[in-house]
Amino acid sequence: EVQLVQSGAEVKKPGESLTISCKGSGYSFTSYWISWVRQMPGKGLEWMGRIDPSDSYTSYSPSFRGHVTLSIDKSITTAFLQWSSLQASDTAIYYCARHLAGDYGWFDPWGQGTLVTVSS
Amino acid sequence: QSALTQPASVSGSPGQSITFSCTGSTNDPGAYNYVSWYQQHPGKAPKLILYDVSNRPSGVSNRFSGSKSGNTASLTISGLQAEDEADYYCTSYTGTSTPLYVFGAGTKVTVL
Repeated sequence: EVQLVQSGAEVKKPGESLTISCKGSGYSFTSYWISWVRQMPGKGLEWMGRIDPSDSYTSYSPSFRGHVTLSIDKSITTAFLQWSSLQASDTAIYYCARHLAGDYGWFDPWGQGTLVTVSS
Repeated sequence: QSALTQPASVSGSPGQSITFSCTGSTNDPGAYNYVSWYQQHPGKAPKLILYDVSNRPSGVSNRFSGSKSGNTASLTISGLQAEDEADYYCTSYTGTSTPLYVFGAGTKVTVL
């Protein structure tokens, strides 16, 4: 079974750093990009960026470039989303998704989501 | 920046069929040949239900179907069931625009 399993919920203070993870299994991890998607409380889905696990090449949405960092550890088939300085506005659920069929492709499956709460 | 517009809500009675749209902001119809649709129940992760406008992944009910006309993609749910009550999002690759992928704001489907 193809699965993406994300790390658990986090509660952080503004200014703190954070890394959340997304572990892939059941498929060739380096063959498909991983995209990250944000869902703020009660809101819709926003594409943040994608990473190619084979070479760590990244593409970011302008809304997130410079504020988050995507990375990969192929040895443990895991993708990471990192913040160096969290803001209250980063409070959201973050999903990773396997990105099929290249640029014109689709997202399947999705991880279960990681809730990040940033509050002083 | 490209955008996808969806109606905020649609409702129907059990057994009915409903159709709702996802309209792109550019004038290039070809840009929307690769629309995919996702179903999200409250508190759950999104689930792919259609890709490339009208293709269903394995395991997705054939009550879900998709079509496209010009820069508008549509999702039809036939034989509406209580379990179909959820939020539905469309998305598309924007090509050279940024961000590379945009989601519609979502359509809340209510089963009366």
